[in-house]
Amino acid sequence: AQSVAQPEDQVNVAEGNPLTVKCTYSVSGNPYLFWYVQYPNRGLQFLLKYITGDNLVKGSYGFEAEFNKSQTSFHLKKPSALVSDSALYFCAVRVGSGNNRLAFGKGNQVVVIP
Amino acid sequence: DAGVTQSPTHLIKTRGQHVTLRCSPISGHKSVSWYQQVLGQGPQFIFQYYEKEERGRGNFPDRFSARQFPNYSSELNVNALLLGDSALYLCASRRQRQGAFYNEQFFGPGTRLTVL
Repeated sequence: AQSVAQPEDQVNVAEGNPLTVKCTYSVSGNPYLFWYVQYPNRGLQFLLKYITGDNLVKGSYGFEAEFNKSQTSFHLKKPSALVSDSALYFCAVRVGSGNNRLAFGKGNQVVVIP
Repeated sequence: DAGVTQSPTHLIKTRGQHVTLRCSPISGHKSVSWYQQVLGQGPQFIFQYYEKEERGRGNFPDRFSARQFPNYSSELNVNALLLGDSALYLCASRRQRQGAFYNEQFFGPGTRLTVL
């Protein structure tokens, strides 16, 4: 079954330091991968996606992600974290074809320490 | 443009009752999906509708049903509510496009359902 895993529960990082949120995937065929962010009591906001093409994907708010086929990973990165980046981050993969079903990871709480 | 809108924002029901949640997609988006997010977990897919037809269904009991209207808005209905149905219900819309390009889903703020 198509799925993603986010191995860490919480990521703590000092403001200004690089931020990495890890995601690994398990799919048959070519994966369609996504990152979303959720702020308290809010819905999900789209950050970026990988469908095909360049392995380094640039998204919103200075975030980027690197697709690594050999390691089946799609880690989210930001060169310099801001306190306002503190939120819940979800990795997701499209399941099957002909529909919009996404399978989400359990999420990672990111805490940026001033 | 307005984003995906959902109503109501919060809802409190008791076990055994019925609930209807509503969603209006972004203008021009014909596909609507529903997700359930239980506290501390990632969203779980419930339904997808496109052009008023069901295109996908997740692993949820028949107590859950949905429909899409001619204006592409959607309703999610849950009958015989259980305590475990307490969750944030998210609606997402997407502009379906032909060809290889796959565009993302946009989520609404959600409806927080509490079942007592």
